Amino acid sequence: GQNIDQPTEMTATEGAIVQINCTYQTSGFNGLFWYQQHAGEAPTFLSYNVLDGLEEKGRFSSFLSRSKGYSYLLLKELQMKDSASYLCAVRDRRGNKLTFGGGTRVLVKP
Amino acid sequence: ETGVTQSPTHLIKTRGQQVTLRCSSQSGHNTVSWYQQALGQGPQFIFQYYREEENGRGNFPPRFSGLQFPNYSSELNVNALELDDSALYLCASSLVHGSTDTQYFGPGTRLTVL
Repeated sequence: GQNIDQPTEMTATEGAIVQINCTYQTSGFNGLFWYQQHAGEAPTFLSYNVLDGLEEKGRFSSFLSRSKGYSYLLLKELQMKDSASYLCAVRDRRGNKLTFGGGTRVLVKP
Repeated sequence: ETGVTQSPTHLIKTRGQQVTLRCSSQSGHNTVSWYQQALGQGPQFIFQYYREEENGRGNFPPRFSGLQFPNYSSELNVNALELDDSALYLCASSLVHGSTDTQYFGPGTRLTVL
């Protein structure tokens, strides 16, 4: 089975940087995804990591260490619209199932 | 916008009733996955359909069933509704055998069971 852990809530100031950690224990691993979800809306894809290292996409970066079962999502130059839940999800080896963490609710304050 | 659509947007049912939710996948995608998301939690995998066959199932009872049609759209059926079935139901489409098989989500159907 899969077990995904991420903090429940984080608060940060507009313009700052926030790092959301995700740890996982899996019986199989075929990639880690980060999604953003605004209240009442669908999750939207942010990033994908399957190899160790950092993937950068504009203000968002995601890091993976497979040996440590660890990932983080880094949000830079925070904007008010970044207030949302951020979901970490691991894909199983067979590739047909995403297991999600409970989500980290990020509140950006002026 | 992901190109994944779901209907209806909202639905209210009573215990014991049956419900059918619908999903149209993004153009070019051949796989649909369904998830249940309770308030304040992450989505939970229900099952996936690929080429009209079930291709993996999560820890949900048999009263949760599905279909995929030749145009890759899909239905989720839930029989004998229970109060705990109240949730946001999300479908996600993807292209199996693509480079990342990234799943793109529709807007969801909010089901309330009274």
